[in-house]
Amino acid sequence: QKEVEQDPGPLSVPEGAIVSLNCTYSNSAFQYFMWYRQYSRKGPELLMYTYSSGNKEDGRFTAQVDKSSKYISLFIRDSQPSDSATYLCAFAGGATNKLIFGTGTLLAVQP
Amino acid sequence: EPEVTQTPSHQVTQMGQEVILRCVPISNHLYFYWYRQILGQKVEFLVSFYNNEISEKSEIFDDQFSVERPDGSNFTLKIRSTKLEDSAMYFCASSEGPSSGRIKEQFFGPGTRLTVL
Repeated sequence: QKEVEQDPGPLSVPEGAIVSLNCTYSNSAFQYFMWYRQYSRKGPELLMYTYSSGNKEDGRFTAQVDKSSKYISLFIRDSQPSDSATYLCAFAGGATNKLIFGTGTLLAVQP
Repeated sequence: EPEVTQTPSHQVTQMGQEVILRCVPISNHLYFYWYRQILGQKVEFLVSFYNNEISEKSEIFDDQFSVERPDGSNFTLKIRSTKLEDSAMYFCASSEGPSSGRIKEQFFGPGTRLTVL
């Protein structure tokens, strides 16, 4: 079983749609859960960071963590063409600060 | 807003040559990292650096790689003898020290694209 699994997409949605992006993980030591956005040939940009189960909202973005199911999600409301990018889930925890990334989901929001 | 910067943005080198990739982390950050991303693949951890020494490294980070913080602002990654398979985007990241036992977010630079011919 892979440590992190993420559907690579691509995911294509119309402008204004609600987008749901998901990752599962197997490592129980993960305590920190992040979502990064990466535009083509650019560095990952931190979107959301949380360390507890439940929901965290920031504007149009909501991060959801379910530690019991080892499942995290990112919801984007009222999606915009500028949201078109690759979304990476990332995890950290245990005795290490290193981030373990998912493979990324390519999202295209069509105007 | 403070940001991590990296130079050069693109480096082309011949196989067997040495390259140095440079990063300027966010000024009050204490932890520094290098990651790489081979085209079409996921971002992979290489090394973390704290208090002037390596705190963790991955299997990828072999004897051909080294890191250094030569002064108070720069953080460098050196590849001694480049191989074709070193071609990738290399990202520098930095973070504050932990607070209340919790690690802090890592902020990434724009990357250096290394092409080994």
